[in-house]
Amino acid sequence: GESVGLHLPTLSVQEGDNSIINCAYSNSASDYFIWYKQESGKGPQFIIDIRSNMDKRQGQRVTVLLNKTVKHLSLQIAATQPGDSAVYFCADSNFRFAGGFKTIFGAGTRLFVKA
Amino acid sequence: DADVTQTPRNRITKTGKRIMLECSQTKGHDRMYWYRQDPGLGLRLIYYSFDVKDINKGEISDGYSVSRQAQAKFSLSLESAIPNQTALYFCATSDTGTGGETQYFGPGTRLLVL
Repeated sequence: GESVGLHLPTLSVQEGDNSIINCAYSNSASDYFIWYKQESGKGPQFIIDIRSNMDKRQGQRVTVLLNKTVKHLSLQIAATQPGDSAVYFCADSNFRFAGGFKTIFGAGTRLFVKA
Repeated sequence: DADVTQTPRNRITKTGKRIMLECSQTKGHDRMYWYRQDPGLGLRLIYYSFDVKDINKGEISDGYSVSRQAQAKFSLSLESAIPNQTALYFCATSDTGTGGETQYFGPGTRLLVL
């Protein structure tokens, strides 16, 4: 759905463990999703994307999974490092509306990595 | 040089003052956005512009106005600042390839309204 000012859920993981961050979307017609990473004091940055003709896409230590049946997206970070501590936003990046298309950001998840 | 720049990076102002936050981009993108982020919260869209002649309100436009002076410049104004406008403000641009967009964010402007 539309982005609202919800308090960010948090996830705390031990350094070296895998992290899984989840996201749900509402529009069954959505076909392009992006995960953004926001480090402290910076703007969000693109990390990985996926289109609806795929159910999995891998990057360097990151994997995005897409389940269109239940409209769910997840970001997996392998061997989590202290530098992964950030806020992660999922985004519906092709949300269609009367004016064309736009991006709808999820509420975000704050990841804490414990040494 | 950064592709999306914001000025100022930090600003302290008093209630009732008019202030302007500026955003410039060298990416050649048509689309530009202004977001607000409060501590511990997500991004909320204030205004967006799909090209120089197209300005649209976002979900929290009350108390704000914008100007798209050129493709590369999009400024946000607070006509009469109030304390609850204290927040982190981000400008973003996007490219519009086939089937969606990627947004590119500036470094943010931290605003404190006393």
